[in-house]
Amino acid sequence: QKEVEQNSGPLSVPEGAIASLNCTYSDRGSQSFFWYRQYSGKSPELIMSIYSNGDKEDGRFTAQLNKASQYVSLLIRDSQPSDSATYLCAVNVVNFGNEKLTFGTGTRLTIIP
Amino acid sequence: EPEVTQTPSHQVTQMGQEVILRCVPISNHLYFYWYRQILGQKVEFLVSFYNNEISEKSEIFDDQFSVERPDGSNFTLKIRSTKLEDSAMYFCASRGLWQKNSPLHFGNGTRLTVT
Repeated sequence: QKEVEQNSGPLSVPEGAIASLNCTYSDRGSQSFFWYRQYSGKSPELIMSIYSNGDKEDGRFTAQLNKASQYVSLLIRDSQPSDSATYLCAVNVVNFGNEKLTFGTGTRLTIIP
Repeated sequence: EPEVTQTPSHQVTQMGQEVILRCVPISNHLYFYWYRQILGQKVEFLVSFYNNEISEKSEIFDDQFSVERPDGSNFTLKIRSTKLEDSAMYFCASRGLWQKNSPLHFGNGTRLTVT
C-alpha cells in the first residue's frame, strides 16, 4: 500500500506568522507532488505542484521537496485568517502505467487573528 | 477557466436504492476519476477511466459501483444498491492526455446521504 502521511493537527498559527505543513510518502517512484487546500464541505483546490528537489515559490506559498527523504512540505508566509483550512498533500502514484493521486489525511490549519 | 461540473450537489436516498452521480469533465480532458470522502476522513480513490474503460479501481469500488461515459461529455458513477456507509462526498476529477504527472481538476462534489 502506497501511503501519504501528514500530521492531522490542528495546527494553530498567529496571523502574520509562517505556517509549516509536512508530508511524507512511501512510493520512491513518485515524480509529482501537490498541495491542495480544502475548506469545510468544499472540494480540494490546487495551490502548489512540485516535481523537482528543492524549493518552489508562488506568492506567499513555498513548496519544498526532498525525494531522498521522501518528504514534501508547504510553507505559508504572512498567514491570513482566510488560510484557515485543511491542507491535503497528494502524491502521483503510477501503477502499471496508470496514474492516480493518493492523498494524505490532511492537516487542519487555523490562523488566529 | 474551464471547470469540472457535478450534479446534483446533494442527493438524499434510501438504503437499497440506486443513485447516479453525474459529472461533466473539462472538455479536452481524457482521464477521468471518481474519489470519495467520508465526513472527517481522507479523500479516497475509487476509479480511473480512460479510453472508454476502467484503468484502475480501488478495493472500495466493488460490484455495486459502475462508471460510464454515455456520450462525449458526461461521466457517471452509479451505485446500484446504496448502503448507509456509502454516505460521503463524491468528487469527480479529470486531466488531459498531454499533462502526464499533472494535477487533477476537481468538481465541487456531490454530497450523498443514505438514510
